[in-house]
Amino acid sequence: QVQLVQSGAEVKKPGASVKVSCKASGYTFSENYMHWVRQAPGQGLEWMAWIDPDSGGTYYAQQFQGRVTVTRDTSISTAYMEVSRLKSDDTAVYYCARDLLDVWGQGTTVTVSS
Amino acid sequence: DIQMTQSPSSLSASVGDRVTITCRAGQDISTYLNWYQQKPGRAPKLLIYSASSLQSGVPSRFSGRGSGTDFTLTISSLQPEDSATYYCQQSYRTWTFGQGTKVEIK
Repeated sequence: QVQLVQSGAEVKKPGASVKVSCKASGYTFSENYMHWVRQAPGQGLEWMAWIDPDSGGTYYAQQFQGRVTVTRDTSISTAYMEVSRLKSDDTAVYYCARDLLDVWGQGTTVTVSS
Repeated sequence: DIQMTQSPSSLSASVGDRVTITCRAGQDISTYLNWYQQKPGRAPKLLIYSASSLQSGVPSRFSGRGSGTDFTLTISSLQPEDSATYYCQQSYRTWTFGQGTKVEIK
């Protein structure tokens, strides 16, 4: 079946970086854009970026430009999302989701704490 | 960015009640409007896409209407398992989500 499986929870210190992976299976990875969305504790959903797995083209929400990088490795059908210069308010669950809206990863909890 | 405004932010209703949630877009988004259900600790689940199309496997008590800037999600007969937070999302230009509506069962 179609699924997206994300990497495990991370705990990081302020100023560090974190890289979350999202492995796709059950469909042709290059055929659908991949989006990244985050959700801070008790808060709503915030769109961050998308990547076109075919071309590698990307687009970022303005508030994340320069601090978030999304990449992919088509040989293993995996998308990545890296956040640098982490702050405490980056503490959130990070989701990947394919552009067809129907399939989301299980979420990766990133905790930023000194 | 296209702003999405949902109302109400929360509601409490009884089993069997008809429940309606409203979503307004900051500009015309045609029918590029989707609805999700999210339960605690879980990823969002797609209920309705393109404003009114029911996602496969979703109960028919869920329905969506609207176009342009004004949209609604209706649960025709609320069930205990519908207790969750509901989000609208525009996919006209990148993605933006409404702030969510928490639905509780009385």
